[in-house]
Amino acid sequence: QVQLVQSGAEVKKPGASVKISCKASGYIFTSYYMHWVRQAPGQGLEWLGMINPSGGSTSSAQNFQDRVALTRDTSTSTVYMELSSLRSEDTAVYYCGRRGCSGANCYVDNWGQGTLITVSS
Amino acid sequence: AIQMTQSPSSLSASVGDRVTITCRASQAIRNDLDWYQQKPGKAPNLLIYAASSLQSGVPSRFSGSGSGTDFTLTISSLQPEDFATYYCLQDYNHPYTFGQGTRLEIK
Repeated sequence: QVQLVQSGAEVKKPGASVKISCKASGYIFTSYYMHWVRQAPGQGLEWLGMINPSGGSTSSAQNFQDRVALTRDTSTSTVYMELSSLRSEDTAVYYCGRRGCSGANCYVDNWGQGTLITVSS
Repeated sequence: AIQMTQSPSSLSASVGDRVTITCRASQAIRNDLDWYQQKPGKAPNLLIYAASSLQSGVPSRFSGSGSGTDFTLTISSLQPEDFATYYCLQDYNHPYTFGQGTRLEIK
């Protein structure tokens, strides 16, 4: 079955960078786009971006384009999300999610367990 | 970016009630709209995709409708496990955008 296992919680200081991972199993890694969303404490969901694991192309939300880098390692079926110039407002749980498709319709139907990133001095 | 306006932001209801949550897009998005349920400390769970298609394994009391700019999620008869927060997500174009969420509480 599809499994997405994310790396553990991180604590970072303002201005630092963080890189978290999402390891996929149970399907052909390069056949499905991977999305990233985040959720600040007590807040709603926010879409960060997505990566095509096949060619590595990415698309990111405008708010994060200068600070987020999405990459993948096909040899280990792992995608990475690196966020730089961290500020306190980046404190959130970050989720990876696999986009599946049924015919012409695509949607994120499998999620990792989430990674808490805490930014604090 | 497309703005998704979801209402209400919170809702109190009783077991057995019928409830409706709406999402309005700032521009037409065909039927490229999904609905998610989220419980505290958990990842979102896909309920409805393409506005009206029920995800496998989701109870039939959940249904979605709409096209263009206006969409609804309906729960026909609330069950205790349905008390959660619900989000719409447009996947018509990048950047994808979520609605603000609707917190469904027990009356």
